[in-house]
Amino acid sequence: KAGVTQTPRYLIKTRGQQVTLSCSPISGHRSVSWYQQTPGQGLQFLFEYFSETQRNKGNFPGRFSGRQFSNSRSEMNVSTLELGDSALYLCASSFNQQSRNEKLFFGSGTQLSVL
Amino acid sequence: GDSVTQMEGPVTLSEEAFLTINCTYTATGYPSLFWYVQYPGEGLQLLLKATKADDKGSNKGFEATYRKETTSFHLEKGSVQVSDSAVYFCALSTGTASKLTFGTGTRLQVTL
Repeated sequence: KAGVTQTPRYLIKTRGQQVTLSCSPISGHRSVSWYQQTPGQGLQFLFEYFSETQRNKGNFPGRFSGRQFSNSRSEMNVSTLELGDSALYLCASSFNQQSRNEKLFFGSGTQLSVL
Repeated sequence: GDSVTQMEGPVTLSEEAFLTINCTYTATGYPSLFWYVQYPGEGLQLLLKATKADDKGSNKGFEATYRKETTSFHLEKGSVQVSDSAVYFCALSTGTASKLTFGTGTRLQVTL
């Protein structure tokens, strides 16, 4: 069974640009969540989607947005990039979003560098 | 709000040494507790979890016990290997498991 796939693996952008990251969950998983990982702030929750609906959102500005498609694939978009958006963006999927004990399966991440 | 505090790293140990990584938490509800591990260049993998007080999670020789009275979930392993070198994250969830609160991570380096 294929794992969580994130594309692209690396991205280099300049300030003011926008970027779209993609995540394909494990087959059969309907919940997708996104995290930002930086050396200074660690891992921070961005948002989660279940059946194409955003169910939870972290404390990030509106420049960060996402969506989920009917096949459970998800994208996140960051507009008007800032230097501080440089980070590893991790996607995680799970079968049942409602359980707090559910195991998350993480992708290898997209490393975004903003110059 | 919820928070997780982990011991600062890096932790450097010789192979076969005993490992302890401390983790304490504060939570508004009754959390589930997790340890995730991140190997170089990879995403996080669940190492073990515990869902109620006094539960012991275990996997690959690692153990952690949910201590409600001390709000702790310390990770231990009796004999580490070089292949255990990674970053270890303590985490909790009080709502859905998709929304985890992570500690800052502890880097473990094991040498021969």
